[in-house]
Amino acid sequence: AQRVTQPEKLLSVFKGAPVELKCNYSYSGSPELFWYVQYSRQRLQLLLRHISRESIKGFTADLNKGETSFHLKKPFAQEEDSAMYYCALSEQGRRALTFGSGTRLQVQP
Amino acid sequence: GAVVSQHPSWVICKSGTSVKIECRSLDFQATTMFWYRQFPKQSLMLMATSNEGSKATYEQGVEKDKFLINHASLTLSTLTVTSAHPEDSSFYICSATRQGRNEKLFFGSGTQLSVL
Repeated sequence: AQRVTQPEKLLSVFKGAPVELKCNYSYSGSPELFWYVQYSRQRLQLLLRHISRESIKGFTADLNKGETSFHLKKPFAQEEDSAMYYCALSEQGRRALTFGSGTRLQVQP
Repeated sequence: GAVVSQHPSWVICKSGTSVKIECRSLDFQATTMFWYRQFPKQSLMLMATSNEGSKATYEQGVEKDKFLINHASLTLSTLTVTSAHPEDSSFYICSATRQGRNEKLFFGSGTQLSVL
C-alpha cells in the first residue's frame, strides 16, 4: 500500500532563512505528488503538484524517484509562510489522496 | 475559483443519535467527492470515494453501514454518521474534483463532530 511520510511535526525558522520540508513516499507504481497548505483557520488548498513543475509563492518541489522523495523548498522564508503543510500522493489512475501527517512551519520574525 | 461548501462547521450530538454532514460544490459539477476524517494531530485519512449516482467506495476498515454516503446530484454529497459514539468524534473533511484538463481537488472547510 502507498504511504507518505513527513518526519518533522514542527519546523521553526527565522524570516529570510531557507526552508526544506521533507516528504518521502512509498508506492510501487508511478505516483502523482502534491503539497497542500493550510493557513490558520482556513481550508486545505493546493500549493503545488509535481507534474506542473511550477513555483508557487517561491516554493518548489522536485520529485526524486531514486530517493522516493518530494521535499518542499523555499530559499527565503517569510512570516506569512507559517502554516501546516501536507504532502500527498495519488495513485496512478486514481484521484483520491494519501496524506502525510503534516509539518507545521513556524517562521519567526 | 472553485468553492466547496461544507455544513455544518461543527456539531455536538448525544451518543446514539445520527448526524448528517453536507458537502456542496458551489460553482462546478463534481462527479466525484471524497470524505476524509482527521483525528487531532494526525493526518487526513480517506474514508470513502463518492461518485454521483452510484454507491460509494469505502476504504478498508471503514464501516459502510455506520458512515452512510449519498451523492444524489452533481453538486451535493452527504455523509451521515449513524448511531454516533464518542469514538466517532473527529474532524470530517470533504473534497471534490472538478473535471477538466487540469483536474484539481478542492476541499471543504471541515466539520468538527463531538459526540457526548
